[in-house]
Amino acid sequence: GAGVSQSPSNKVTEKGKDVELRCDPISGHTALYWYRQSLGQGLEFLIYFQGNSAPDKSGLPSDRFSAERTGGSVSTLTIQRTQQEDSAVYLCASSLSGVISEAFFGQGTRLTVV
Amino acid sequence: TQLLEQSPQFLSIQEGENLTVYCNSSSVFSSLQWYRQEPGEGPVLLVTVVTGGEVKKLKRLTFQFGDARKDSSLHITAAQPGDTGLYLCAGEAGGTSYGKLTFGQGTILTVHP
Repeated sequence: GAGVSQSPSNKVTEKGKDVELRCDPISGHTALYWYRQSLGQGLEFLIYFQGNSAPDKSGLPSDRFSAERTGGSVSTLTIQRTQQEDSAVYLCASSLSGVISEAFFGQGTRLTVV
Repeated sequence: TQLLEQSPQFLSIQEGENLTVYCNSSSVFSSLQWYRQEPGEGPVLLVTVVTGGEVKKLKRLTFQFGDARKDSSLHITAAQPGDTGLYLCAGEAGGTSYGKLTFGQGTILTVHP
């Protein structure tokens, strides 16, 4: 596709369940980011993938959160044993790594934990 | 860890007023970007500034990169309700963090008619 694709667009889950959020970046983009955004707030950095380098996981809020990126392309963010405070919009972005790297964002997955 | 501090966090103004949003850091960035996010959408790039002291204009929006490449500002002249949204700055670092964008937490702007 032409842009960053995220699925599902909306997810409602029960507290304690695991969820997987998917991000399909723009083809050829080596960098991929996951951010979390609560209602009416800015972006909270979660994790950054760059090529074959070890990911920067410094933003993951707890060990219930994990992410992987297979084959340098699609990424999955997994939240185990979801809690109500995990409710937010999860945004994925990708970019070419170069001197100036514009980030292209998906439309996000709105996660609601009930 | 490189941090970008944006201020103010919230801004509510009347149509026709001017405003400035600030983005500050103690770190040097090779480039700095400004994004705008509308409700229900992902952020979209407005402008990239690269050179210290650089000023770029985009219609009623003026972007400035500090001489030391540690700070930036976004000035909007005669704001309109259509300017309402979340404004984000993002810095690209060099060195071991090459290519990684660090985002500020954003400024939520509301322009009332």
